[in-house]
Amino acid sequence: QVQLVQSGADVKKPGASVNISCKTSGYAFNNYALHWVRQAPGERLEWMGWINPGSANTKYSEKLQGRVTITRDRSESTSYMELSSLTSEDTSIYFCARGVPNLGDAFDIWGQGTVVTVSS
Amino acid sequence: DIQLTQSPSFLSASVGDRVTITCRASQGIVSYLAWYQQKPGKAPELLIYAASTLESGVPSRFSGSASGTEFTLTISSLQPEDFATYYCQQIHTFPLTFGGGTKIEIK
Repeated sequence: QVQLVQSGADVKKPGASVNISCKTSGYAFNNYALHWVRQAPGERLEWMGWINPGSANTKYSEKLQGRVTITRDRSESTSYMELSSLTSEDTSIYFCARGVPNLGDAFDIWGQGTVVTVSS
Repeated sequence: DIQLTQSPSFLSASVGDRVTITCRASQGIVSYLAWYQQKPGKAPELLIYAASTLESGVPSRFSGSASGTEFTLTISSLQPEDFATYYCQQIHTFPLTFGGGTKIEIK
């Protein structure tokens, strides 16, 4: 079945970078957008950016522009999200999600989430 | 950025109740709106897309509607498994944005 499986929880110090993977299976990797979304404790969901796995084109939230980089490895059907210059405000659960054009680009499948804690 | 204002932010209800959640967009988004359900410690799950289309496998007690920039999610008869937080999302314009959420708790 269609699955998105993310890498495990991570603890980082302020100023460091974090890299999270999202391994997909069960569908044609090139054909669906992959989005990254985060959720700080008690906060609303925040869209971070997306990648077209076929072309590698990306678009990022202006708020995170310059700190976030989304890539993909087609041979592994995997997307990666790197966030740099971490502060305590980046402590969140990070999700990848598949966007489906036939569903009005809604996100039909989500990864299980990766908890990132930024603490000195 | 397009702001999505959800109301109420908190709702206390009983099993069997009819519940309506509203999501108001700060500008026109046509029907590019989705609704998700999220339970504690879990990823969101898609309920409704294109404002009113039920995702496959979602119970028919969930429905969505739209009028201009106001969107509603209705649960016709609340079930125990429906106690969760619900989010709307606009997929019309980057950056994609989410509403603030509506938490439904057991009365």
